Amino acid sequence: EPEVTQTPSHQVTQMGQEVILRCVPISNHLYFYWYRQILGQKVEFLVSFYNNEISEKSEIFDDQFSVERPDGSNFTLKIRSTKLEDSAMYFCASTEQGRNQPQHFGDGTRLSIL
Amino acid sequence: DAKTTQPNSMESNEEEPVHLPCNHSTISGTDYIHWYRQLPSQGPEYVIHGLTSNVNNRMASLAIAEDRKSSTLILHRATLRDAAVYYCILRDRITEYGNKLVFGAGTILRVKS
Repeated sequence: EPEVTQTPSHQVTQMGQEVILRCVPISNHLYFYWYRQILGQKVEFLVSFYNNEISEKSEIFDDQFSVERPDGSNFTLKIRSTKLEDSAMYFCASTEQGRNQPQHFGDGTRLSIL
Repeated sequence: DAKTTQPNSMESNEEEPVHLPCNHSTISGTDYIHWYRQLPSQGPEYVIHGLTSNVNNRMASLAIAEDRKSSTLILHRATLRDAAVYYCILRDRITEYGNKLVFGAGTILRVKS
């Protein structure tokens, strides 16, 4: 069964550094999402992306965050200047069509900011 | 977003059925009821969804109350692998661009051998 893959599985970065988290969504999917989960807390929506543009973003997704689909397969989340509070699991998800289709999640990247 | 209420935790014995309840008294007529689960150290995983009628798939069954103000996810024979956090989420079927999932705290299901 096709799956969403995320790399790396664990990223350790110094505070203030830029980090790029990578995702390969399922190949025929058109809608892409990033979520995060701080340890012990709820899964939180960050951003959704369709047709090469952001369709919705949360308050968490400020100017320090950006997303990109640089080619036909990758979907990336960049944090420009990381803060300690960015430490979390980051999950990528994709869905074939938007409306009420199941979202397929990767196993996440654990981001640790030192 | 319409809210859902789930018990914090439940416990089940292996190979017995599990009924996970969800209340959504403010559900609108255009909301689908979705269930996801999150196994330890993994991303959320889609389980099932429905609108009005009961639904079955290979993972579970979804029983929806006639007034749609509550629903129950049914695992017919719990296994140790079903120990996870189960989330009941409402999604508006009208939203055009692929609506986000709004996760609550969910129900922690523990399965005893």
